[in-house]
Amino acid sequence: DARVTQTPRHKVTEMGQEVTMRCQPILGHNTVFWYRQTMMQGLELLAYFRNRAPLDDSGMPKDRFSAEMPDATLATLKIQPSEPRDSAVYFCASGSGQGSSYEQYFGPGTRLTVT
Amino acid sequence: AQSVAQPEDQVNVAEGNPLTVKCTYSVSGNPYLFWYVQYPNRGLQFLLKYITGDNLVKGSYGFEAEFNKSQTSFHLKKPSALVSDSALYFCAVRDPDGQNFVFGPGTRLSVLP
Repeated sequence: DARVTQTPRHKVTEMGQEVTMRCQPILGHNTVFWYRQTMMQGLELLAYFRNRAPLDDSGMPKDRFSAEMPDATLATLKIQPSEPRDSAVYFCASGSGQGSSYEQYFGPGTRLTVT
Repeated sequence: AQSVAQPEDQVNVAEGNPLTVKCTYSVSGNPYLFWYVQYPNRGLQFLLKYITGDNLVKGSYGFEAEFNKSQTSFHLKKPSALVSDSALYFCAVRDPDGQNFVFGPGTRLSVLP
């Protein structure tokens, strides 16, 4: 049963610290998305990649957030420095990007709390 | 620009009754439409999608959705609700020429025993 995995599942950190979240997409999927979910803003797209190349990161605060795909099996989302307003659940999703009709498969999320 | 509206924040229905979760969209061209469900402390799970063809789409867990082009709607339905259907439901749209998905704000479904 292929699944998207995310680590860590929970992260509590102090303001100003660096946070790194990792995602392993489903093997063979060539498109990866990062989302942030909060009660106030709902589900927000932060960035996405196709074939490891970033296609859109307009949803990310560029001064503190960065997203990369070092290889096809790993996507990372970093926040440096972290702030309390970054507290949210961060989801990674992957899809097989044949055309535009594919669905996304979501990981379980990383719940980030910045104090 | 693409957009999705889910006009109801909350839908309550009694177990065994039919349920409907509403979604309307705005997109240039013919849309690709999706429904996802999120259970507590879990990621979103794909339920069904409309790409082309029959306007009535059947998906997982007995759910179905009806695409109505004239009303730009894609409402999620189930003939008989279960308590276990209680969750947060998201509608999403994609422009076939676009790259990403746009998700609606979500509708919380509560099925009461």
